[in-house]
Amino acid sequence: DAGITQSPRHKVTETGTPVTLRCHQTENHRYMYWYRQDPGHGLRLIHYSYGVKDTDKGEVSDGYSVSRSKTEDFLLTLESATSSQTSVYFCAISVEEAGEQYFGPGTRLTVT
Amino acid sequence: KQEVTQIPAALSVPEGENLVLNCSFTDSAIYNLQWFRQDPGKGLTSLLLIQSSQREQTSGRLNASLDKSSGRSTLYIAASQPGDSATYLCAVRVGDYKLSFGAGTTVTVRA
Repeated sequence: DAGITQSPRHKVTETGTPVTLRCHQTENHRYMYWYRQDPGHGLRLIHYSYGVKDTDKGEVSDGYSVSRSKTEDFLLTLESATSSQTSVYFCAISVEEAGEQYFGPGTRLTVT
Repeated sequence: KQEVTQIPAALSVPEGENLVLNCSFTDSAIYNLQWFRQDPGKGLTSLLLIQSSQREQTSGRLNASLDKSSGRSTLYIAASQPGDSATYLCAVRVGDYKLSFGAGTTVTVRA
């Protein structure tokens, strides 16, 4: 157990609504990641962070923003949710830059 | 761009049989490779991490091999049990923070 929690675990929202997902870790690891998982596409990286206030884009970052003001929290924001952002979102952490990644339980987001 | 392929997409075996799961990748200049297990509706559980300098890694009934030159990794699960039923994912890292995932192999172990 890597001490990762995600909230909320399930959310249904309407198109055009802003949504924020939270990832919290108890181990104070430096590296944190947000992925989405979709049938037919597998897991894809949205954004990642390599320290407080240090973030960068992944391969599917359009429509998403992130913030990391504390080591333990990494927030993913959908500024204006669209139906194409219906997905399962996973947060992950790693101790080292290219080290083993540990995943949270996921958030199932439905945009209607 | 790194492409990761897992074949077959699904596998069904009787209990006690050894499982062999394959993962291939197009760019052999990988930093490391990680195998995960995912149960339905759950997150990913890390099984094994193999560094590029290693040929294999073992944990209990699990053994993963890595052949960088041919772009392949194989996960062996000995003496399968119904509790091994899950989707197994491999992911490779090419020198940066990012993992490229395969689509997974869904395993069913029949009692």
